Amino acid sequence: AQTVTQSQPEMSVQEAETVTLSCTYDTSESDYYLFWYKQPPSRQMILVIRQEAYKQQNATENRFSVNFQKAAKSFSLKISDSQLGDAAMYFCAPGGSNYKLTFGKGTLLTVNP
Amino acid sequence: SQTIHQWPATLVQPVGSPLSLECTVEGTSNPNLYWYRQAAGRGLQLLFYSVGIGQISSEVPQNLSASRPQDRQFILSSKKLLLSDSGFYLCATRDRREAFFGQGTRLTVV
Repeated sequence: AQTVTQSQPEMSVQEAETVTLSCTYDTSESDYYLFWYKQPPSRQMILVIRQEAYKQQNATENRFSVNFQKAAKSFSLKISDSQLGDAAMYFCAPGGSNYKLTFGKGTLLTVNP
Repeated sequence: SQTIHQWPATLVQPVGSPLSLECTVEGTSNPNLYWYRQAAGRGLQLLFYSVGIGQISSEVPQNLSASRPQDRQFILSSKKLLLSDSGFYLCATRDRREAFFGQGTRLTVV
């Protein structure tokens, strides 16, 4: 079974600053992806970044990067140079070959001007 | 890439009335399909998922059911809605590298 824990229900950051959202998970699979999705007020789900579990190098997408610790089953998201448009609910999810896609409860990020 | 069509966008239904939400997928065959529910300001709760026609796995016992009558069609139903069924419902599919979501249905049971 998959479980996902996002221990920060809410976070806030000043514009242009850096913030890190935490995620821990548990899965019995050895080959899987990890995802971070954002959900702005429009409620559209947008892929932020993904990480292949077999890759040791942390994924990076522009201002977004992850800190993937496979042994600890930790997958945190770092947002650098935060922008007002980054304000959203952020969800973490492991996705393996067993087809289930279970999301964490989410972290609501507020960006202060 | 895959595209999900989900309708209606909003729905207001009285308690005790039936429900049918439909989701169809384009751009792939034999997709994995998911129904999620999101209460206001809360997380995504996985309700059902399907790996093929007629194959439904239920994650949470509840007043809802799901069906997959065709390869790329996924339906969420209820015979009698409860107030607690109110929420935002999302249909999704995924390939190995990404999940794709519909625009969602905001259901209000009154």
